[in-house]
Amino acid sequence: EVQLVESGGGLIQPGGSLRLSCSVSGFTVTSKFMSWVRQAPGKGLEWVSCIYSGGRTNYADSVKGRFTISRDNSKNILYLQMNSLRAEDTAVYYCAGDTTNFQHWGQGTLVTVSS
Amino acid sequence: DIHMTQSPSTLSASVGDRVTITCRASQSITSWMAWYQQKPGKAPKLLIYKASSLESGVPSRFSGSESGTEFTLTISSLQPDDFATYYCQQNNSFPLTFGGGTKVEIK
Repeated sequence: EVQLVESGGGLIQPGGSLRLSCSVSGFTVTSKFMSWVRQAPGKGLEWVSCIYSGGRTNYADSVKGRFTISRDNSKNILYLQMNSLRAEDTAVYYCAGDTTNFQHWGQGTLVTVSS
Repeated sequence: DIHMTQSPSTLSASVGDRVTITCRASQSITSWMAWYQQKPGKAPKLLIYKASSLESGVPSRFSGSESGTEFTLTISSLQPDDFATYYCQQNNSFPLTFGGGTKVEIK
C-alpha cells in the first residue's frame, strides 16, 4: 500500500527557513515523479515544485530561488527546503506523486509564516 | 503559463441530479487534464486523468470529456458522498496549474 506522510510544518517568522519532509512507503522516491502542492487557508491548489526520477527539478515562479526540492534515496524521503519565507507562503503543503497526475497524496503539513 | 478557468465556482444540487463542471484552458493542452475531489480537511483525490480516463476505484458515475480547450467533469447521479470541492489541473506543461475549484453543495 502506498503511503505518503509529511512532517516539518509549523509557525515560522517572515524571513525564516523550514524543511518539510515526506516519508514515502510503497514505492521508491527515486522511481517516480514527485511534487509539492500547497493550499493557502480557504484557497485553491497551487503546484510548488517537482523532481523527476532522473533528478531534474522544476519550480513555480513564486518560490524559485527560495525553495529547493530534494530526496534522500536511502531513507526514501522527499524534502522541501524553504528559505526566505513570506506571509504568502502560509499554506498546507502536500507531497504528491507518482506522475503529473497526482495519484497519491500525503495528509499535508501546515506552514504558518507570521510574526 | 496556462490559465485554467473553472466554472461554476459554486453549485447547489440534490441527490440524484446530473452535475456538470467545466474547465477551459487558455491554450491547447491536448488531453492532459486531470480532475480531483477534495473534502474539507483532506487531501485531494484523483478522479479522472488524460481528460476521460477513470482512476482505479472511482465510481463510474464520474466521467470526463473534452472539446478543444474545454473540459467537462460529469457526475451522472449525485450521491451524498459527492458533496465536495472539485478541481481541474492541466499537466501539459510547466508550471502545472489548477482551476479555481467548484464547490458542490446540497440544495
